[in-house]
Amino acid sequence: AQKITQTQPGMFVQEKEAVTLDCTYDTSDPSYGLFWYKQPSSGEMIFLIYQGSYDQQNATEGRYSLNFQKARKSANLVISASQLGDSAMYFCAMREGLIQGAQKLVFGQGTRLTINP
Amino acid sequence: DVKVTQSSRYLVKRTGEKVFLECVQDMDHENMFWYRQDPGLGLRLIYFSYDVKMKEKGDIPEGYSVSREKKERFSLILESASTNQTSMYLCASSLERQFSPLHFGNGTRLTVT
Repeated sequence: AQKITQTQPGMFVQEKEAVTLDCTYDTSDPSYGLFWYKQPSSGEMIFLIYQGSYDQQNATEGRYSLNFQKARKSANLVISASQLGDSAMYFCAMREGLIQGAQKLVFGQGTRLTINP
Repeated sequence: DVKVTQSSRYLVKRTGEKVFLECVQDMDHENMFWYRQDPGLGLRLIYFSYDVKMKEKGDIPEGYSVSREKKERFSLILESASTNQTSMYLCASSLERQFSPLHFGNGTRLTVT
């Protein structure tokens, strides 16, 4: 069974510092996708970044980048120059199979990030 | 912009009641999903649908059913609500295209007393 592990329940970071949120995954499927979502206190889930298993380059999206280490099965999210608005819950997720075109995403437990002024 | 709308933000129901959670998306997405979110457990998939009237069980379907009569609408049904179904319920939709991200609604916080 596929599994996503986020080992940091909570993190506290000073504003303007870079932060790395850890995510490891377990799959025997050679083709898979990894996603990161942000959930602010308001509750909505916001898609941040995506990495495909066959992608040669690490994904980047503005201040977000994904440190993808395939051999170690890790897909850490890096936020550069953190801002107060980055305080939120962050979820790592992996696509699980492809049934009739539907992507089942399996989520980790989440990491609560708090940015201190 | 994709909009996924869940009919209620907060809901309080009694044990044994039949509960309907409604979700509507306006982007003609083929796929729709229902997740529940609990502290320390992340999001767990209850059911999903890849077409009208088509559904597949997720990881925790027990105690739930779903209905998709129209492409834009996906309903989650709790046949007989129990206190262990108190949770945050999140609806999502996506295109059929591979690696298309899920777009989520704002969630319904259900309390069963």
